[in-house]
Amino acid sequence: AQTVTQSQPEMSVQEAETVTLSCTYDTSENNYYLFWYKQPPSRQMILVIRQEAYKQQNATENRFSVNFQKAAKSFSLKISDSQLGDTAMYFCAFMTPGNTGKLIFGQGTTLQVKP
Amino acid sequence: EAQVTQNPRYLITVTGKKLTVTCSQNMNHEYMSWYRQDPGLGLRQIYYSMNVEVTDKGDVPEGYKVSRKEKRNFPLILESPSPNQTSLYFCASNTGGLYNEQFFGPGTRLTVL
Repeated sequence: AQTVTQSQPEMSVQEAETVTLSCTYDTSENNYYLFWYKQPPSRQMILVIRQEAYKQQNATENRFSVNFQKAAKSFSLKISDSQLGDTAMYFCAFMTPGNTGKLIFGQGTTLQVKP
Repeated sequence: EAQVTQNPRYLITVTGKKLTVTCSQNMNHEYMSWYRQDPGLGLRQIYYSMNVEVTDKGDVPEGYKVSRKEKRNFPLILESPSPNQTSLYFCASNTGGLYNEQFFGPGTRLTVL
């Protein structure tokens, strides 16, 4: 069974600094997708970034980038130039293609950006 | 505007009183899912549907029912709610195909007393 683990329940960072959130996963699949979702206090689930396992290049979306290490089954999220609006819970998630769209989520990491 | 809607957004009820949380999407998506979110556990899939009249269990289906009579709607039914079903519930839909981006509803906070 696939599992996703986020070992950092809480983190904090100073505004304008860089922070990295960790995620590891376990699967026997070779082709899959990985995601980071942001959940602000409004509770809305917002897709931050996604990575296809067959792509070696790490995905980047503005201030957000990932470090995807397929052999190590690691998928960390780096937030550069942290802003107060980045304060949220962040979930790492895994999906296999051709599936029903089922996402397997990690436990979540609460990130606090301090002024 | 493409969206997934859920109602109600907040609900407080008592043990054993049947309730339904509605979910509707306007994107003509075939796949729809229900998730529950609990502290320290992330989100877990309850049920999913691949099309009208086609539903199947997710990881935590006990105590829940679903139906898919129309493509756009996927209600979650708790026939006899219990306090351990107090949670935050999300409905989601996705396009299917090679890349399945999930679109989430705004969430329903349910408290069962």
